[in-house]
Amino acid sequence: EPEVTQTPSHQVTQMGQEVILRCVPISNHLYFYWYRQILGQKVEFLVSFYNNEISEKSEIFDDQFSVERPDGSNFTLKIRSTKLEDSAMYFCASRLALGQETQYFGPGTRLLVL
Amino acid sequence: AQSVTQPDIHITVSEGASLELRCNYSYGATPYLFWYVQSPGQGLQLLLKYFSGDTLVQGIKGFEAEFKRSQSSFNLRKPSVHWSDAAEYFCAAHNTDKLIFGTGTRLQVFP
Repeated sequence: EPEVTQTPSHQVTQMGQEVILRCVPISNHLYFYWYRQILGQKVEFLVSFYNNEISEKSEIFDDQFSVERPDGSNFTLKIRSTKLEDSAMYFCASRLALGQETQYFGPGTRLLVL
Repeated sequence: AQSVTQPDIHITVSEGASLELRCNYSYGATPYLFWYVQSPGQGLQLLLKYFSGDTLVQGIKGFEAEFKRSQSSFNLRKPSVHWSDAAEYFCAAHNTDKLIFGTGTRLQVFP
């Protein structure tokens, strides 16, 4: 069964460093998402992406964040200058099309900023 | 603001007992509703979803959920819990192009 994959599973970085989290959505899906979950808190929406553009973003998704679909398969989240409070589990999700509202999630990348 | 509420932070049940996890939503119209499960260190797995039609929906692993418009609820149930059901359960609602999650309910299962 097709699934969303994410790499790396864990990443440790120093404050101020750039990180890129990678996702491979399900191959025929058209809508892509990033969410994050700070330890002990609920899952929060960051950004949605469709047709090579951001569709919607939350207030969390400030200028330090960017997303890209560099090729036909990968979907990346870049944090330019990480802060301690960026430490969280980051989930990628994808869905098929309009009218197909179910989002399928990847296993997540646990980011720790020191 | 639109929101999803899971009133129970932590629930403990004995293996074989029945289970009900509560979820309430606050929306102007009926949203699409989902239950996801997160096992320790794992991602979010879809258990079931409600879009329209029959208000009792069946999901994987023997779970079901009932949508009640009058109570703005979408409670998750299982008649007999297994030890492997121990996990965190998230209710979510679809809003424009994103999911709004509840705070989650952690389920512990005792043998």
